[in-house]
Amino acid sequence: AQSVTQLDSQVPVFEEAPVELRCNYSSSVSVYLFWYVQYPNQGLQLLLKYLSGSTLVESINGFEAEFNKSQTSFHLRKPSVHISDTAEYFCAVSENAGNNRKLIWGLGTSLAVNP
Amino acid sequence: DGGITQSPKYLFRKEGQNVTLSCEQNLNHDAMYWYRQDPGQGLRLIYYSQIVNDFQKGDIAEGYSVSREKKESFPLTVTSAQKNPTAFYLCASSTGQFSYNEQFFGPGTRLTVL
Repeated sequence: AQSVTQLDSQVPVFEEAPVELRCNYSSSVSVYLFWYVQYPNQGLQLLLKYLSGSTLVESINGFEAEFNKSQTSFHLRKPSVHISDTAEYFCAVSENAGNNRKLIWGLGTSLAVNP
Repeated sequence: DGGITQSPKYLFRKEGQNVTLSCEQNLNHDAMYWYRQDPGQGLRLIYYSQIVNDFQKGDIAEGYSVSREKKESFPLTVTSAQKNPTAFYLCASSTGQFSYNEQFFGPGTRLTVL
């Protein structure tokens, strides 16, 4: 069965430190992978996505994620975080199968960047 | 500006009452979605619609109803049959009918049952 596991529910870091938010999935078919970000009391915004091609994808604000098929992972990284990166981050997966129309969501990782 | 609007931002309801949450989009998107978000539980799909006058149940549809009479509107009714309706409700839309399309989210409605 398709599932998504975000391995850390909370990640506290200091400003300018590197961070990695981990995401693993299970699926028997090929997948599309997404990271969404939710700032406090707001809706979600797409941060980056992997559909095909290069396994390393980047966002405009310095985040990157790498699709690792053998480890079924899509970890999110940033080499130096800012206070403004404090938010909830959600990993989501969709199976590339038939007429699938649904995303499967992880439970989220709360990133708290401290000065 | 194109986007998704949800109203109201905060909603209070007495037990036993039905309440309708509004979701409007001017992005000309075909697909629309309703999610429920509870602390520590991520997003759970309530209903989704791929086209006008058609919608499908998601994972937690019991106690909810929807309609899709217009492309730009997808209201959600929380009925008295929903046992634990207090939550943050998010509406989303996407350009296509398939899940590889990016979903665009509204700002959400926080429903509290008193």
